[in-house]
Amino acid sequence: DAGITQSPRHKVTETGTPVTLRCHQTENHRYMYWYRQDPGHGLRLIHYSYGVKDTDKGEVSDGYSVSRSKTEDFLLTLESATSSQTSVYFCAIREGRTDTQYFGPGTRLTVL
Amino acid sequence: AQTVTQSQPEMSVQEAETVTLSCTYDTSESNYYLFWYKQPPSRQMILVIRQEAYKQQNATENRFSVNFQKAAKSFSLKISDSQLGDTAMYFCAFMKQMGDNNDMRFGAGTRLTVKP
Repeated sequence: DAGITQSPRHKVTETGTPVTLRCHQTENHRYMYWYRQDPGHGLRLIHYSYGVKDTDKGEVSDGYSVSRSKTEDFLLTLESATSSQTSVYFCAIREGRTDTQYFGPGTRLTVL
Repeated sequence: AQTVTQSQPEMSVQEAETVTLSCTYDTSESNYYLFWYKQPPSRQMILVIRQEAYKQQNATENRFSVNFQKAAKSFSLKISDSQLGDTAMYFCAFMKQMGDNNDMRFGAGTRLTVKP
């Protein structure tokens, strides 16, 4: 499972509240990613990181921010959650030797 | 931008039979990877198979094999001797090979049901 954990696994929150999702990896991978999964869209990239303090936007970054202060942790923050951000969020790492992405177990977020 | 299309939203197959899932993609890149991921009801995304575009030989992993047609930009997945545990969503994905900005682009998925 590439040593990836996500917390929390489930969260219900209200519109307008801030939310932070955490991704933790144990194998010192350089690249980390946040995706969201919605019906009919597969997975879409929100933000990614290519090192500590090095991050960039993905396809659907509006309304999200990220931070990576340590190699092992990649945080995704919704500053003011909206109902359109109800989704399943996946974290991934890129394994350096094969360039293959491996995914965490996902977080189901519901914004009421 | 790269796009990935899976034209079959749902498919079904009898246990022990063979099924092929289709995937096409659009890119101007020469060097890239293609993947198939499986997502069972547990929601975990599981790598099924990986193909490097520069390799002409089709990748295989046990009962799973691909038909990679680079000129046609087609990457289909064949599952032989289907098992009940193969029931899942299957996603085709594309990733550029070079650079930091090589995020993965996914198709919308094909829901496969294996019937006993």
